[in-house]
Amino acid sequence: QQQVKQSPQSLIVQKGGISIINCAYENTAFDYFPWYQQFPGKGPALLIAIRPDVSEKKEGRFTISFNKSAKQFSLHIMDSQPGDSATYFCAAGVGTYKYIFGTGTRLKVLA
Amino acid sequence: DVKVTQSSRYLVKRTGEKVFLECVQDMDHENMFWYRQDPGLGLRLIYFSYDVKMKEKGDIPEGYSVSREKKERFSLILESASTNQTSMYLCASSSGSYYGYTFGSGTRLTVV
Repeated sequence: QQQVKQSPQSLIVQKGGISIINCAYENTAFDYFPWYQQFPGKGPALLIAIRPDVSEKKEGRFTISFNKSAKQFSLHIMDSQPGDSATYFCAAGVGTYKYIFGTGTRLKVLA
Repeated sequence: DVKVTQSSRYLVKRTGEKVFLECVQDMDHENMFWYRQDPGLGLRLIYFSYDVKMKEKGDIPEGYSVSREKKERFSLILESASTNQTSMYLCASSSGSYYGYTFGSGTRLTVV
């Protein structure tokens, strides 16, 4: 019940395309769902986060879609750019500070 | 900006050595965490602390201990390093619920 399943493991997208990364969870008590972006040699950085009282949150080219009934959430990167090439992690937490992370998606955007 | 500083970027240690990984944050955050990152396994929580001298086990605490004597500093200790502890270690801090973590740049530890 504590797992967060993330897919795909890797993703290759053409410049200008849409990148979509999916996560699923089991614990219905989770109420905070952040996404992190990690570049090589750096620690993960908070990208965008959502709480389950909304179905979508958009910040620039990044959008989280949240489906509470299906217990799934996804990250959409619109107009993907080579600079978006990084590893992305979803996470889930129970309103506290302790998150469960997905296994990560390595995104490569081709120029 | 909150800064989380890990004392070493790369470390090479021998099997059986006692290893100390240090982490310092500069924004007076109550909560601090140690994760290890391995390919295909994501980030796994080793220990966390929500106050000075307080600590709680995460998902994979075996072979590790921690120390938090001051609010800004959280140390991870490998009591007797083993080759299966070769990994990237990430420290993070947060001010509380719904605020996300700030991570350090990580320490890549190799145990030979």
